[in-house]
Amino acid sequence: DAMVIQNPRYQVTQFGKPVTLSCSQTLNHNVMYWYQQKSSQAPKLLFHYYDKDFNNEADTPDNFQSRRPNTSFCFLDIRSPGLGDAAMYLCATSREAPQETQYFGPGTRLLVL
Amino acid sequence: DQQVKQNSPSLSVQEGRISILNCDYTNSMFDYFLWYKKYPAEGPTFLISISSIKDKNEDGRFTVFLNKSAKHLSLHIVPSQPGDSAVYFCAASATGTASKLTFGTGTRLQVTL
Repeated sequence: DAMVIQNPRYQVTQFGKPVTLSCSQTLNHNVMYWYQQKSSQAPKLLFHYYDKDFNNEADTPDNFQSRRPNTSFCFLDIRSPGLGDAAMYLCATSREAPQETQYFGPGTRLLVL
Repeated sequence: DQQVKQNSPSLSVQEGRISILNCDYTNSMFDYFLWYKKYPAEGPTFLISISSIKDKNEDGRFTVFLNKSAKHLSLHIVPSQPGDSAVYFCAASATGTASKLTFGTGTRLQVTL
């Protein structure tokens, strides 16, 4: 089945220790997104790639970076995680933009100790 | 500034009755609206969408109504089933914003027997 896969599902890291979250898709979609969702809050877009073009949200902290080496994979790098970065991180894809339905992966829950 | 608001954090409905989930928005540039459903430990799943050129869209038991003048949309589920118990997110996007979705904070629906 075509899908969006996120690994790992749960990630524990130490304060200040870099961490990378992974997303892959078999949908062959052009656009990939990373969202951060904290408890009882709305998912918040961090950035997205339209093909190889990277689009950062204005309020995304510099601590968050992303890489998309090919169509199928996208990575979220958190250079120096703080306690406030503990959240669910959701990857999504869409075929094109705009007004295209986004398909989400199951998310990675990040815990920062 | 929260541009998409879901003012009811939770809703309980009996099986077989109608569930009505509400969403308000403030940005008049939004022209595409979606509802996502989220089970615990899973990513959001697309449910139904509506473009601003319509005021109603129906898909089986799910109907979305859009009132542009009131900047309000609602999701009706008839009849409600226990499997509908989940968190429902309203999301909106505006043409020309590179498919950025703005989400509400979600409404937890509990369908009781």
